[in-house]
Amino acid sequence: ETAVFQTPNYHVTQVGNEVSFNCKQTLGHDTMYWYKQDSKKLLKIMFSYNNKQLIVNETVPRRFSPQSSDKAHLNLRIKSVEPEDSAVYLCASSLRGLYEQYFGPGTRLTVL
Amino acid sequence: GDSVTQTEGQVALSEEDFLTIHCNYSASGYPALFWYVQYPGEGPQFLFRASRDKEKGSSRGFEATYDKGTTSFHLRKASVQESDSAVYYCALGEASSGSWQLIFGSGTQLTVMP
Repeated sequence: ETAVFQTPNYHVTQVGNEVSFNCKQTLGHDTMYWYKQDSKKLLKIMFSYNNKQLIVNETVPRRFSPQSSDKAHLNLRIKSVEPEDSAVYLCASSLRGLYEQYFGPGTRLTVL
Repeated sequence: GDSVTQTEGQVALSEEDFLTIHCNYSASGYPALFWYVQYPGEGPQFLFRASRDKEKGSSRGFEATYDKGTTSFHLRKASVQESDSAVYYCALGEASSGSWQLIFGSGTQLTVMP
């Protein structure tokens, strides 16, 4: 049963546009994450957000920013997309201090 | 920086074959080690983890033992099924402000033929 929800499933856009992806978890977790999975299936952490504390992977370009309204939601905004941003973006959540992270199904972004 | 190496990009087996996927890590500290599995169209799913030397993690017939001496956490299963076909990721995690920052290996595509 899906407990981490992501919308949209797919998004196609042009270079330079702004996009925003939504993530919601219904597990009562207090930490959420965004990962990028490229065409070779490589998975890299982008952000984690816990109790209003944001941890950023230093390799993430500044045009990416997470946005949270409460601990159940963590959206991802990309200010001006570039072709190398084409990937699947995966949202995940976990409970503080526990090991397991639960992933959503992902949003596939294609930049033309 | 910390890293995880999975040597097999693809593994093709027949049902009931023995599976080994190799995972080696490089870390300055004493990380926790994880295996995740990803089926087509889904996000990765946690399989199991180990957090200290010689600890064995296991789930759904898969197992791996944390070996600090050889810096390894190899995934094994005695008898694979077609339903095990998926991408398997080894990961290391370091605790940071109460959450786990995971560094994933490059993944191994397992295909099991009937």
